[in-house]
Amino acid sequence: KNEVEQSPQNLTAQEGEFITINCSYSVGISALHWLQQHPGGGIVSLFMLSSGKKKHGRLIATINIQEKHSSLHITASHPRDSAVYICAYNTDKLIFGTGTRLQVFP
Amino acid sequence: SQTIHQWPATLVQPVGSPLSLECTVEGTSNPNLYWYRQAAGRGLQLLFYSVGIGQISSEVPQNLSASRPQDRQFILSSKKLLLSDSGFYLCAWSLSDRRAILTFGSGTRLTVV
Repeated sequence: KNEVEQSPQNLTAQEGEFITINCSYSVGISALHWLQQHPGGGIVSLFMLSSGKKKHGRLIATINIQEKHSSLHITASHPRDSAVYICAYNTDKLIFGTGTRLQVFP
Repeated sequence: SQTIHQWPATLVQPVGSPLSLECTVEGTSNPNLYWYRQAAGRGLQLLFYSVGIGQISSEVPQNLSASRPQDRQFILSSKKLLLSDSGFYLCAWSLSDRRAILTFGSGTRLTVV
């Protein structure tokens, strides 16, 4: 069993839809990362959060440390949001979720 | 500002040939360094991580090795590549603080033929 579970694994949406990707983990952590991997493979860090909520543009990330759960929301989704979204936490090494492949169609 | 450089971007190598991928970080000291591999259609798999010069932790037994000859240099090597070594290799760095932001290199797409 993966230490970090993401759902759904695959997600398709129409442009403009509200997107939610979930991440659950099994150990106590101090911070969680949300990453975005583009079709070419490059990875960028979207958020690092340890409590509450963070917002950047149309992206919102929330975390509940006690429940060991985090969500990534995309409002007014756009085809350029199509990517793999990965959550991860950091101990001495990085533990990654399996990723959620999002496709947004116009 | 900190930057991470990874090269080459793409590589096609025959089975049995050696491999050397290099990653360097600028603008910081004593970073944690990581090598990841992503096989086609699969998630990221941690291969090696390093918390300091000469300190390498291996996560997956395989024919790959890593070295950290300098504080901000991380090298992934193989003496003889296998077909199963094909994939997308990513170098990453972070500060030693567990809440530190992760920064990834641009990746190397390796095809072993």
